[in-house]
Amino acid sequence: QLQESGPGLMKPSETLSLTCTVSGDSITGYYWSWIRQSAGKGLEWIGRIYATGITNYNPSLRNRVIMSVDTSKGQFSLKLSSSTAADTAVYFCARDRWGVFDYWGQGTLVTVSS
Amino acid sequence: EIVLTQSPGTLSLSPGERATLSCRASQSVTSNYLAWFQQKPGQAPRLLVYGASSRATGIPDRFSGSGSGTDFTLTISRLEPEDFAVYYCQQYASSRTFGQGTKLEIK
Repeated sequence: QLQESGPGLMKPSETLSLTCTVSGDSITGYYWSWIRQSAGKGLEWIGRIYATGITNYNPSLRNRVIMSVDTSKGQFSLKLSSSTAADTAVYFCARDRWGVFDYWGQGTLVTVSS
Repeated sequence: EIVLTQSPGTLSLSPGERATLSCRASQSVTSNYLAWFQQKPGQAPRLLVYGASSRATGIPDRFSGSGSGTDFTLTISRLEPEDFAVYYCQQYASSRTFGQGTKLEIK
């Protein structure tokens, strides 16, 4: 199971911070991705992280994204800086098995508004 | 970036009918690295098919994927009431991108 957590409301220019907790499975041995869904842009892959900390980011978001992992807690995290209203979306975490998103969290709505 | 275009935007069918959903890529999807998802309101997408034609664990055999290169199809042989949802294709050959979705609605 995957569960996203983090603030649901934030102001423009703030840094969006979310955590995904993995339970019932080891976080090691897989990549883990963040994906968001908005009315305007549909489903958008943000990036992925391996248990060792290796990351790959969507080129369109690369300059604002940082992902990290804490294997001792079975968690991985997303930070997205300089948020705007365009970052308002439901954010999902998912297991990324060689590009196949086979397990997803339920998603968490993040609203960016002043 | 590989752009995926799904058609039709909305498909209106009745239970028991056959559904054919299309996904066209702007360039060839290497090794048929294409997946299909089903999403219902308020839920996360659910993996149906990967590798263009391999069904995910627990997916009924009425769902089948086909295609190669730039043209892919998801077929639902006989629609059940629970199949009415939005369907997305996604490629993982070059980064990861999704199509805009096809809404399958009850006629």
